[in-house]
Amino acid sequence: AQSVTQPDIHITVSEGASLELRCNYSYGATPYLFWYVQSPGQGLQLLLKYFSGDTLVQGIKGFEAEFKRSQSSFNLRKPSVHWSDAAEYFCAVGSSNDYKLSFGAGTTVTVRA
Amino acid sequence: EPEVTQTPSHQVTQMGQEVILRCVPISNHLYFYWYRQILGQKVEFLVSFYNNEISEKSEIFDDQFSVERPDGSNFTLKIRSTKLEDSAMYFCASRVEFMNTEAFFGQGTRLTVV
Repeated sequence: AQSVTQPDIHITVSEGASLELRCNYSYGATPYLFWYVQSPGQGLQLLLKYFSGDTLVQGIKGFEAEFKRSQSSFNLRKPSVHWSDAAEYFCAVGSSNDYKLSFGAGTTVTVRA
Repeated sequence: EPEVTQTPSHQVTQMGQEVILRCVPISNHLYFYWYRQILGQKVEFLVSFYNNEISEKSEIFDDQFSVERPDGSNFTLKIRSTKLEDSAMYFCASRVEFMNTEAFFGQGTRLTVV
């Protein structure tokens, strides 16, 4: 069965500092990987996705993520965070032969001035 | 930009009552999903729906739950007899096709069972 681990429950970062959120997955086949963001009271917005090809993917709002098959990881990064990046971030895994997505528990990001 | 629309945004119901959560997926999408997120927990898959039938369901999706696409545009989740533990945010999602596509999520319906 597929699963996703987000080791960090909560991260606090200063505005303008860099951010990295960790995601590790467990899946037998080639995974589809996603990062979603959820602002308070809002739905899930897709930040970026990986299906195949270039392992460094660019997303919206200045985010990027790198797929590392050898480490079963898909970490999310942003060079300089803005106060509006405060939210909960979810990593999710799917595949070409599985309809559903499996989500990690999420990482809450707090941005301090 | 096309989006998945869910109504209502918040519903309060008494235990034992039936509720129907409604979703309008993006118009050219073919795959439809319901997920739920109990407060403070991860987003969990409930059911997927394609070609007017359930393609996969989780253990959570028992006989109390059903889904329907009654008119080619709406996609509904019915809970027949709600329990306190059904209180959660319910998300609808849709995908245009199966391969190499992402799911688009609605804003969610917060269901509170009292």
